[in-house]
Amino acid sequence: LAKTTQPISMDSYEGQEVNITCSHNNIATNDYITWYQQFPSQGPRFIIQGYKTKVTNEVASLFIPADRKSSTLSLPRVSLSDTAVYYCLVVFGNEKLTFGTGTRLTIIP
Amino acid sequence: GAGVSQSPRYKVAKRGQDVALRCDPISGHVSLFWYQQALGQGPEFLTYFQNEAQLDKSGLPSDRFFAERPEGSVSTLKIQRTQQEDSAVYLCASSLERATYEQYFGPGTRLTVT
Repeated sequence: LAKTTQPISMDSYEGQEVNITCSHNNIATNDYITWYQQFPSQGPRFIIQGYKTKVTNEVASLFIPADRKSSTLSLPRVSLSDTAVYYCLVVFGNEKLTFGTGTRLTIIP
Repeated sequence: GAGVSQSPRYKVAKRGQDVALRCDPISGHVSLFWYQQALGQGPEFLTYFQNEAQLDKSGLPSDRFFAERPEGSVSTLKIQRTQQEDSAVYLCASSLERATYEQYFGPGTRLTVT
């Protein structure tokens, strides 16, 4: 399983764009990059998944460079409700999601 | 009733007691997963079912942990002779089909062993 490295914590002000980068140097050819969000006292929630280049959905964008050794989750115009822990996972047909310690994002009013 | 539900939400057990944690997955979801989450850590995989078949139990920490899903829907995680190190949040997740990365998680059961 590919090991991922994320910052332990980040702070940002409301209304700003937040970018959380994840390193996964030993990602395999067929691995996908997946991000989950977790609020206190709740289970994780799927945000976005990508393989290469850029993926965008209604809540976030995921940028993946050509070498795929890192990826960046981008949250546009964050609000206080985006305060949560964000997990980057690298998964290939593997139901056993391996979470790291994640990035604790705090939005400041 | 759209989401994954778990019961009880909180459980306090004395060391040595047996506990049973229940998970009701989203209707029609084939795959069901159990995770253990210690305070300040990410969830760790325990076991996986496809319908009623337990296909992977490699994450169960000891033979005191047992999970079942007899009819391919509701699942129960049982912990026998609980120990203090079993204190954690136990999360259940389901997904529509096998090998999908979009798992839907329940709120978890917080187990405290005293």
